[in-house]
Amino acid sequence: GENVEQHPSTLSVQEGDSAVIKCTYSDSASNYFPWYKQELGKGPQLIIDIRSNVGEKKDQRIAVTLNKTAKHFSLHITETQPEDSAVYFCAAILWGSGGGADGLTFGKGTHLIIQP
Amino acid sequence: SAVISQKPSRDICQRGTSLTIQCQVDSQVTMMFWYRQQPGQSLTLIATANQGSEATYESGFVIDKFPISRPNLTFSTLTVSNMSPEDSSIYLCSVGTQYFGPGTRLLVL
Repeated sequence: GENVEQHPSTLSVQEGDSAVIKCTYSDSASNYFPWYKQELGKGPQLIIDIRSNVGEKKDQRIAVTLNKTAKHFSLHITETQPEDSAVYFCAAILWGSGGGADGLTFGKGTHLIIQP
Repeated sequence: SAVISQKPSRDICQRGTSLTIQCQVDSQVTMMFWYRQQPGQSLTLIATANQGSEATYESGFVIDKFPISRPNLTFSTLTVSNMSPEDSSIYLCSVGTQYFGPGTRLLVL
């Protein structure tokens, strides 16, 4: 089955600086890679995703890059703000051609701390 | 979009008892997923629940311990049976990859 490694486990950055979280996956068949933000006491919230036919995707201050050859993908947050403080999870999945899917395989999470 | 609610939001249970967690979606969906998130850890898929068929369990999870019902396209339940302290976790249901419920926080004493 799929295995997703995520680094670092904790990341502390100064407000306004950039943060980068990296993930690697093992199953080359995986074709969809979402990122989630989880705040204390809440369920994961999808913040950005990327499909295997795309190398980069950006949404305002958040971007994700994918290197299929190396089987790794990264989350980039620029101009970090205090409200970015949360736990971030990467995940990987093989999304079937019929539209159904197996469940997600998650990384272990990164606790992002934005220092004022 | 989909809005997912879970009941209860939290509970404290005695070992050896069982708890049934409810997941309600505001739209009809084919597939629902149940995850476990142990304290300070990542999410691990327990099972996939399709309406009208038996749930499919991941390695390490069995139906006797985590029976699942899926009576219609908007509702599912997960039961944690014969609980032990090791079952203390957050249990989340989801729809697809985008929508997660708020979770049920379970503490087993």
